[in-house]
Parts: sequence; structure tokens; C-alpha cells
Amino acid sequence: GESVGLHLPTLSVQEGDNSIINCAYSNSASDYFIWYKQESGKGPQFIIDIRSNMDKRQGQRVTVLLNKTVKHLSLQIAATQPGDSAVYFCAEKEGAGSYQLTFGKGTKLSVIP
Amino acid sequence: DAGVIQSPRHEVTEMGQEVTLRCKPISGHDYLFWYRQTMMRGLELLIYFNNNVPIDDSGMPEDRFSAKMPNASFSTLKIQPSEPRDSAVYFCASSPHLETYWEQYFGPGTRLTVT
Repeated sequence: GESVGLHLPTLSVQEGDNSIINCAYSNSASDYFIWYKQESGKGPQFIIDIRSNMDKRQGQRVTVLLNKTVKHLSLQIAATQPGDSAVYFCAEKEGAGSYQLTFGKGTKLSVIP
Repeated sequence: DAGVIQSPRHEVTEMGQEVTLRCKPISGHDYLFWYRQTMMRGLELLIYFNNNVPIDDSGMPEDRFSAKMPNASFSTLKIQPSEPRDSAVYFCASSPHLETYWEQYFGPGTRLTVT
């Protein structure tokens, strides 16, 4: 989910379990929603996106769900691995013609071996 | 490809000094973005370029910040004079397509500390 102030929400999962990371967005006019992964000391890395006219999109071991009714986005990671440990944050792209992304503050995922 | 290259990786400077951050985008990528990341504000877009031309600099905090892209393989972000509140990690990213510009490739970042 979204963070407040200096402290990132943390999700701890056992290796092999599934992870679900949540994000609330604010702009009903956003036409794309994106998930990024940021490992310690590195730049963000694009994971997956979903267009606003979809409610589910699957990638390799990841699934993004979009619920426009409650303005909620989630990232599901199947069979979580130690290499998945990172900060995950969502971003929303404003509607057509805009190149601005609004980023959430992130959730820290810790995988317990 | 080596990916997006940024230098320096760490910069410590005193308030009032000029700071120059450098970026080499991935070859062939027409779009270059500069971001600032802090714990309080998260990731913020400062400016982006298309084919070396600045398109949107509305995120640049104030006149102390300036960015240039003299050619397709090099960009700089300059802060003059620097202030302690500029302390952050600055990322450069590049993208090959405008249609899916959010599929960006980020550099490792420059951690700036202004004392």
C-alpha cells in the first residue's frame, strides 16, 4: 500500500508463498497503471503495466489486478523468491496527451528464506 | 548494452557549491528523463527530453536547477547553488518509445548529499 511519511509499509513473506502488494490511486482519469521494482542501491525497474480498460493482466510470475470502482491496484507475485526482495511501487499515468507519472511511495517486500 | 550510465554515483558537497550530474542514455533511445527520489516525496519527474530537446521541465523545482542534452548520448543536470534540501538520489532514465514511455530504463542513480 501507500506509505505515509518516512516509513514504508513492509510485507514479509516466506519463500515459495505468493505475495500481494496493494496500491491506492487517486486519479479516475489515469489511463495506465504501472508497477516498478527497486532493489537496494539500484534504479527502478519496470515490471508490468495495465490499461484502465482492463481489470487483469498477467506476466511472468506476476499478475496485476485493477479495481476502478474503489481505485485500487494490486500486484501479485507467485512463488516468491529471495530475488524478489525489493521496494515495489505503483505509478499512474494521467490521461492521453500527458507524460506525467504519479508515483506511490512504495512497499518493501522482504522474502524469508 | 551497458544500460543507462550515471556519474558520479555519490556526491557530497557544501551548501552553495555547484553540482553537475551526468547521464549517458541507452543508444537509440530518443527519450531521456531526470528524476529525484526522497523518502518524503518519493520519485518525482524533473524534466524530460525528446531527441535532445527539453519537452517538459515543469517538475524542475526552481531556477537553481538546469538540465541540458547537447547530444543524443549525454545529458547533465546542474544545481547552482546547491542547498541541503537538494539532498536526494537523482535518477536518469531513457526510453525508446513515446507510446509506452513508462517502460523506462533507469540508471543506478547519483546520491547527492549537500551539507
